[in-house]
Amino acid sequence: EALLVESGGGWVQPGGSLRLSCGASGFTFDDHAMHWVRQAPGKGLEWVSSISWNSRDKDYADSVKGRFIISRDNAKNSLYLQVNSLKTEDTALYYCAKGGERGGYYYGHFDSWGQGALVTVSS
Amino acid sequence: QLVLTQSPSASASLGDSVKLTCTLSSGLRSYAIAWHQYQEERGPRFLLKLNSDGSHIKGDGIPDRFSGFSSGAERYLTISSLQSEDEADYYCQTWGTDINWVFGGGTKLTVL
Repeated sequence: EALLVESGGGWVQPGGSLRLSCGASGFTFDDHAMHWVRQAPGKGLEWVSSISWNSRDKDYADSVKGRFIISRDNAKNSLYLQVNSLKTEDTALYYCAKGGERGGYYYGHFDSWGQGALVTVSS
Repeated sequence: QLVLTQSPSASASLGDSVKLTCTLSSGLRSYAIAWHQYQEERGPRFLLKLNSDGSHIKGDGIPDRFSGFSSGAERYLTISSLQSEDEADYYCQTWGTDINWVFGGGTKLTVL
């Protein structure tokens, strides 16, 4: 069974940066696309960013494009999200999610989730 | 037009069945979706992936009480024999080269 564990959340002032990490186990990490999703207080789930198994494809929501950078290290079974130029509206729980399709498929559903890392942006 | 439309709330009594609806925008009627359950104490959980023909695959450990079916642009999640622990927010999700990944606004289910 897949296990995803996020870390790196915290409090940061507007304009600041953080690096979120997601450690993966229980599945063949480099066989799956990986994703970040967030939930702001009182809001619904919002897709943030995705990366293909070989890092060739990366996509971002318009709300974070140019400020967030997704990456992965298949040797370490880890996913990352560098969050820069943070705004108060970026305050949210950030979840790491595993792509449900194997064999290099990029687009597909999410079939496992982490427990979330809280990012609070406030002065 | 929203890609995915969900009613904001639903309610049903303990032991009853409930049907939640997710509507795909026009032009996306053939798209598959996924249903996810969200509870504050445990975060999101994948329930099932539902194809346009009604075929579906479930997540690990998801009880038989959860099932899905499709009709046109509508994608349904049915929960039978409702239990108190089913009280949660339910989100549908879809994806594609033209839309990336999208979540519906979520339905808050109250078990009476």
